[in-house]
Amino acid sequence: NAGVTQTPKFRILKIGQSMTLQCTQDMNHNYMYWYRQDPGMGLKLIYYSVGAGITDKGEVPNGYNVSRSTTEDFPLRLELAAPSQTSVYFCASIGQDELNEQFFGPGTRLTVL
Amino acid sequence: GQNIDQPTEMTATEGAIVQINCTYQTSGFNGLFWYQQHAGEAPTFLSYNVLDGLEEKGRFSSFLSRSKGYSYLLLKELQMKDSASYLCAVNSNSGYALNFGKGTSLLVTP
Repeated sequence: NAGVTQTPKFRILKIGQSMTLQCTQDMNHNYMYWYRQDPGMGLKLIYYSVGAGITDKGEVPNGYNVSRSTTEDFPLRLELAAPSQTSVYFCASIGQDELNEQFFGPGTRLTVL
Repeated sequence: GQNIDQPTEMTATEGAIVQINCTYQTSGFNGLFWYQQHAGEAPTFLSYNVLDGLEEKGRFSSFLSRSKGYSYLLLKELQMKDSASYLCAVNSNSGYALNFGKGTSLLVTP
């Protein structure tokens, strides 16, 4: 299994541009999450999904959108990039039978200038 | 609300023992997690506690007291590679998402 994969690894955006951060897992996990981590801070939940077709807001959803059309994929969309969205973004997943461990992707480092 | 507190920084000597504390006040509780995160990398899972008591896994142990809203991570026989950030996180009721503390940056010195 590849686990949780994220693309791209790095990206620089200009203010107002849009982009999609990709996240895919091949473990057939129902639960998937997007977190952001600012320097010296813990991770904050942006959006999560408990299964295909179901998404919900986390602590810091403003400026982001998600979709979950398949079990494997959980893309995160930034429509109008702002400097405040400069951060490292982590995608994670857990399975119904493995609720005691979240598997994290390698992260996407995004800079908005 | 959710409030998870842990020290910002700690320093310890190679070969020693260090204890990293975490206190939490959350609206839901499905377990407490410790993650290790090296600079520029993703968090990696260390331990999970859902019942009171001590869980031991090699050089790492984690303790939980639900009544006190308190946990600690104990690292024994410290190695230089243990220099990293240690994140305390509580599993909330929101689709099993994690609420993270800000992390404790541990520096292991020779």
